[in-house]
Amino acid sequence: AQSVTQPDIHITVSEGASLELRCNYSYGATPYLFWYVQSPGQGLQLLLKYFSGDTLVQGIKGFEAEFKRSQSSFNLRKPSVHWSDAAEYFCAVGASNTGNQFYFGTGTSLTVIP
Amino acid sequence: DTGVSQDPRHKITKRGQNVTFRCDPISEHNRLYWYRQTLGQGPEFLTYFQNEAQLEKSRLLSDRFSAERPKGSFSTLEIQRTEQGDSAMYLCASSLLAGYEQYFGPGTRLTVT
Repeated sequence: AQSVTQPDIHITVSEGASLELRCNYSYGATPYLFWYVQSPGQGLQLLLKYFSGDTLVQGIKGFEAEFKRSQSSFNLRKPSVHWSDAAEYFCAVGASNTGNQFYFGTGTSLTVIP
Repeated sequence: DTGVSQDPRHKITKRGQNVTFRCDPISEHNRLYWYRQTLGQGPEFLTYFQNEAQLEKSRLLSDRFSAERPKGSFSTLEIQRTEQGDSAMYLCASSLLAGYEQYFGPGTRLTVT
């Protein structure tokens, strides 16, 4: 069965520090992988996506993620966090042979301290 | 590109009442999805449409839930005889084709009292 695990429920980092949010997936086919960000009371904004090719993908707001097939991981990184990055982050997996429904992790809440 | 819009943004209703939500996808997108998100959880898939055809429904979508996309443009999600357990954020998303990224609307927060 398809599933996504985000092991860290909550992370706190200092502004300017680096960030890594973990995501592990279980999927029988070649996955499409996504990271979304959600601010309180808002919908989800796409940060980046991986379909194929280069395993290091760049997204908006200075975020990047690396697909590691051997580890079934798709971790999100940012070299220097800004206070405005405080939000909930969701990893999602999908594939064309599932009707393209996405399976989401439970999210990681990011707090940024000055 | 005006993005995905949803209406209303908030809905408070009493148990047993019916509610209907509307979603307007990005205009050229063929696929439209409905998800439900409860507090502390990620979105959970409910159903999706390709144009006007509803192609898949989750087991989460009980008989009290019905969704339509009559002309392949906007969609409605109706919940009949609401229960307190229906309280959640209902998210709509659209995509150009299968396998493409989904763009989400701001959601409709439902509170059943």
